[in-house]
Amino acid sequence: KNQVEQSPQSLIILEGKNCTLQCNYTVSPFSNLRWYKQDTGRGPVSLTIMTFSENTKSNGRYTATLDADTKQSSLHITASQLSDSASYICVLGSGGTSYGKLTFGQGTILTVHP
Amino acid sequence: DSGVTQTPKHLITATGQRVTLRCSPRSGDLSVYWYQQSLDQGLQFLIQYYNGEERAKGNILERFSAQQFPDLHSELNLSSLELGDSALYFCASSVGLAGGPGNTGELFFGEGSRLTVL
Repeated sequence: KNQVEQSPQSLIILEGKNCTLQCNYTVSPFSNLRWYKQDTGRGPVSLTIMTFSENTKSNGRYTATLDADTKQSSLHITASQLSDSASYICVLGSGGTSYGKLTFGQGTILTVHP
Repeated sequence: DSGVTQTPKHLITATGQRVTLRCSPRSGDLSVYWYQQSLDQGLQFLIQYYNGEERAKGNILERFSAQQFPDLHSELNLSSLELGDSALYFCASSVGLAGGPGNTGELFFGEGSRLTVL
């Protein structure tokens, strides 16, 4: 069964600090990996999209990495801000005969304290 | 603003009732996806339409149905509502198939419809 596991489930950090969120997956074959940010009660917003051939993708203070060999991805947030408090969701897009199917992780809830 | 419009934003109804949620995708997007998010839960895929045709089904109950119209807007119908159906229902759209590469696979979410069943 294709799965996406995220860790930690929740994380509390102080404003200005860096943090790294993890995503392990078993989706195979996969076409791309995305990270979304979801503010409470709002719709998810895309942060990065990486194909299986990309190792890293940045979007401002957000940097996603992908290791297709170990089937792991991480999202690194630098110099955190209060507005970074949200749920971060890792999503795998399937390839092959399941092309177009998305598998969502449960998300990591990040809380940034002043 | 993602460009995806969902109505209503909030809806309160009673058990046993039926409601319809509406989604207008971004201009030019052919794919529409529906997701359910219960309190403190992850996004659960319900159903996908591509250019008017059902493309994929997820964990959608038989009491739920959806369709995509010729103008590409979509409606999600929820009937015989139960307390457990209370959730945020998100619609998302993409140009092509959201699992696809590049910009055609970019998925844009609406702000959701919050359904409360009493």
